[in-house]
Amino acid sequence: DAKTTQPPSMDCAEGRAANLPCNHSTISGNEYVYWYRQIHSQGPQYIIHGLKNNETNEMASLIITEDRKSSTLILPHATLRDTAVYYCIVSSYAGNMLTFGGGTRLMVKP
Amino acid sequence: EADIYQTPRYLVIGTGKKITLECSQTMGHDKMYWYQQDPGMELHLIHYSYGVNSTEKGDLSSESTVSRIRTEHFPLTLESARPSHTSQYLCASSESGTGGVYGYTFGSGTRLTVV
Repeated sequence: DAKTTQPPSMDCAEGRAANLPCNHSTISGNEYVYWYRQIHSQGPQYIIHGLKNNETNEMASLIITEDRKSSTLILPHATLRDTAVYYCIVSSYAGNMLTFGGGTRLMVKP
Repeated sequence: EADIYQTPRYLVIGTGKKITLECSQTMGHDKMYWYQQDPGMELHLIHYSYGVNSTEKGDLSSESTVSRIRTEHFPLTLESARPSHTSQYLCASSESGTGGVYGYTFGSGTRLTVV
C-alpha cells in the first residue's frame, strides 16, 4: 500500500471549515483513499473514501486531485466534537489491512 | 451504535498474572483484528483472523496469543503479564467481500495497566 504524509497537527475555529491535507504521491491506479478519525482514545471511526472522484457524505467531503497524488478532507462546519486524530490511508480495494500512520491531530477551538 | 464489544474497559493487574481480553461482535463479520496503541502513539496491528480457526500475527510483535473458535468471538490472552504490556488494546472487525479497508468497526478498547 502507498505511504501517506499528513501534517502532525492543525487548529480550526469552531464553525469554520477544517481542511485536512494528505499527500500520497506513490498511489497506484487501483488504490483508494480512506479517512478515519479517532476521538480521544476511542476506536477509530470510518469517515469517507474515494478513488478519483470527489465524494461527500453526511460527515465530510473528500477532494482528490486530478493526478491523485494528494487529497483533502473537508469538515464543512467544525464543532468541538470534531477534535480528534484524523488518519488518511491508501489501500487497494482488495486490501485487507488497515495500517495507521501518525495522522493529523485536529484541535477545534471555540 | 457499536456492534463490537470489548471487556473489560479498564484493567489493572499484577505482574505475572494471566489475563484474557474479550472481544465479541454481533455483525457476523469474518475478519477480526487486534491493535495495540500506547498513549499518544500510533495504532499497531498485532493479530488478525480471517475466519474460524484462522489466526495470524500482525506487523508488531506481541507476546499475546489469540484464538478464533467462533465467528463472533476473538479473545486475546497474555499468559504472564508484564509492565511492558501496559497499553490500550483495540479490537475491530470487517466484512468479507466488501474489500479494502472500508467498513471497519472498532470496539471501545481495553486499557490495560500491569503493575
